[in-house]
Amino acid sequence: ETGVTQSPTHLIKTRGQQVTLRCSSQSGHNTVSWYQQALGQGPQFIFQYYREEENGRGNFPPRFSGLQFPNYSSELNVNALELDDSALYLCASSLQQADTQYFGPGTRLTVL
Amino acid sequence: AQSVTQLDSQVPVFEEAPVELRCNYSSSVSVYLFWYVQYPNQGLQLLLKYLSGSTLVESINGFEAEFNKSQTSFHLRKPSVHISDTAEYFCAVSDTGGYNKLIFGAGTRLAVHP
Repeated sequence: ETGVTQSPTHLIKTRGQQVTLRCSSQSGHNTVSWYQQALGQGPQFIFQYYREEENGRGNFPPRFSGLQFPNYSSELNVNALELDDSALYLCASSLQQADTQYFGPGTRLTVL
Repeated sequence: AQSVTQLDSQVPVFEEAPVELRCNYSSSVSVYLFWYVQYPNQGLQLLLKYLSGSTLVESINGFEAEFNKSQTSFHLRKPSVHISDTAEYFCAVSDTGGYNKLIFGAGTRLAVHP
């Protein structure tokens, strides 16, 4: 059974650019959640997708958007990058909306 | 609104000594509770969880945590730590209804010394 995978591993962008991060959920999982973990802090919830629909959203501006595909993989898009967007972005999948979340290894985004 | 407080940002301990990592939460609704571990430059791994039933939950690598509803705590303990337990530990809560947004604490850095 394949776990949660994320790509790319690392990414460097400059302010104002746009970025797309990708996540493949664990086999059989239909729910994907995204979190932002700034250096030295706990992860913060960005949003969750359940069966291709956004199911809940944290306190992040609209320039953070996402998609979930029919195979339940997901993308996180961030427009107009800011320096404070530099963080580890974590994707987690779960069997259903309210089930235990299993995390991928993360994508380290650096904004210069 | 829910919140999680991890009372210690760093816990240094010698190998084979016992350890307790403290976690308190605040919530107006019923919660599920989790401990995740993060090794350097890696994602989060689920260590253990409390959903219902017995208030004492155990992991396969010797950690245990006890849900205390009256004290709103979910402290993590291990009777004898190993060097390999050195990592960042995160306590998290989610409510029991609807979608399970995890609210994390700031983390506790466990440093095991020989």
